[in-house]
This record gives sequence, C-alpha cells and structure tokens, in this order.
Amino acid sequence: NAGVTQTPKFQVLKTGQSMTLQCAQDMNHNSMYWYRQDPGMGLRLIYYSASEGTTDKGEVPNGYNVSRLNKREFSLRLESAAPSQTSVYFCASRQTDSNQPQHFGDGTRLSIL
Amino acid sequence: DQQVKQNSPSLSVQEGRISILNCDYTNSMFDYFLWYKKYPAEGPTFLISISSIKDKNEDGRFTVFLNKSAKHLSLHIVPSQPGDSAVYFCAASAGSNYKLTFGKGTLLTVNP
Repeated sequence: NAGVTQTPKFQVLKTGQSMTLQCAQDMNHNSMYWYRQDPGMGLRLIYYSASEGTTDKGEVPNGYNVSRLNKREFSLRLESAAPSQTSVYFCASRQTDSNQPQHFGDGTRLSIL
Repeated sequence: DQQVKQNSPSLSVQEGRISILNCDYTNSMFDYFLWYKKYPAEGPTFLISISSIKDKNEDGRFTVFLNKSAKHLSLHIVPSQPGDSAVYFCAASAGSNYKLTFGKGTLLTVNP
C-alpha cells in the first residue's frame, strides 16, 4: 500500500552540488509530476510526464532536469544547486482516465546552504 | 499573477459547526477543480473534486460548490471535527494533461 514513494526525505546540500530526487509509484499510473512548495505558497509545477517516454516543462523548470526512467519512476535532478532551490519537493502521479486526481508522496525537504 | 486565489490564510471554527473555505480563479479555461488537505510533514491528500459541468459535488461531510459565472468555488465541511484541522489547498486544471495550479492554502483549525 505504498502509493508514491519519495527518497530521500531530507537532504542538505552546499551551493553548486548536484543531487537527484527519486520518485516511484506502484499504482500503474501513466502520468507523473514534480512540484515544489515554498513557505506561504501553494505547490508549483516544475516538470511533468504525461506518459512513459515524454516529459514537459511546468511553471518553474529553470535549474532542473527530469528523467522518466520507466512507468514507475520519475526523477528530478538539480545539476548545480542554488539557495533559491531550498524547498519541499513533492512528486505526484495520476491515472490518465479523465478527472482522476493526482496522488502525492510525502515530500523531500531540501536545504541548500 | 495568481490564477487560483485563497484569500483567507486561516480559519478557526468550533467542533460541530460548518467550515466554509473559499477559492477564486481567474483562468476561464480551468475545467476541473480539486481540494486537497495537507497535514504537516505529509504530502497533500485528495479530498474532493468537481468538473466544470457540475455546480455541486458531495462526499460525506464534504461538499464542493462551483459558481462558474463568479469564478468561485467553496468547500463546506459539516460537521467540522478536530481531525479536520489542516491546510486546505484549492487546485485547478485545464485540458487533458491535468497540470494543477494551486492556491496558497487556508489553515483550518477546528477547536474542541
């Protein structure tokens, strides 16, 4: 009954370091999404993958890259971390049938010093 | 430019009373609306949704109302329970990719 699993749960990086956030879902969903949430803000879409083999930019893609490794896994990479990327990152997935909600993981809390 | 606005950062109600959370949107292309509930250190949990072809959807204690002409939706929780205390996010999407645009959230506190 795992749903959407994100690893790691917490991470501290230094400016300029690189890191990959992992996300896996076990619900056989076609679509996957990466969001960030900053204090006092709603979630903002970074990238999404409508189906295996496709990825597209969301609202705030700068500084990030993604890989849809297979149907289950969708990773988010920070090539050169900046303090402005300090945030909580959420991964979500959904079935592509119409009007199905997105299901979220519990987030990765990332601090960049 | 916020396309989804939740103008009340917080709301406090007594247990057993009704909680009403409001949300306004500006993008007339939005055709699917959702409410998520979020506890600290957890991910958002889907609560209830409504498509633009309806004006009301009900699920147990939770009812969402949509007024398309006013570009406004509301979530009613009746009766409110202390376990409902959480941040509630309104979200909207347009088109088949279902990319969500979120409001900033409303912190609901239900007092025993």
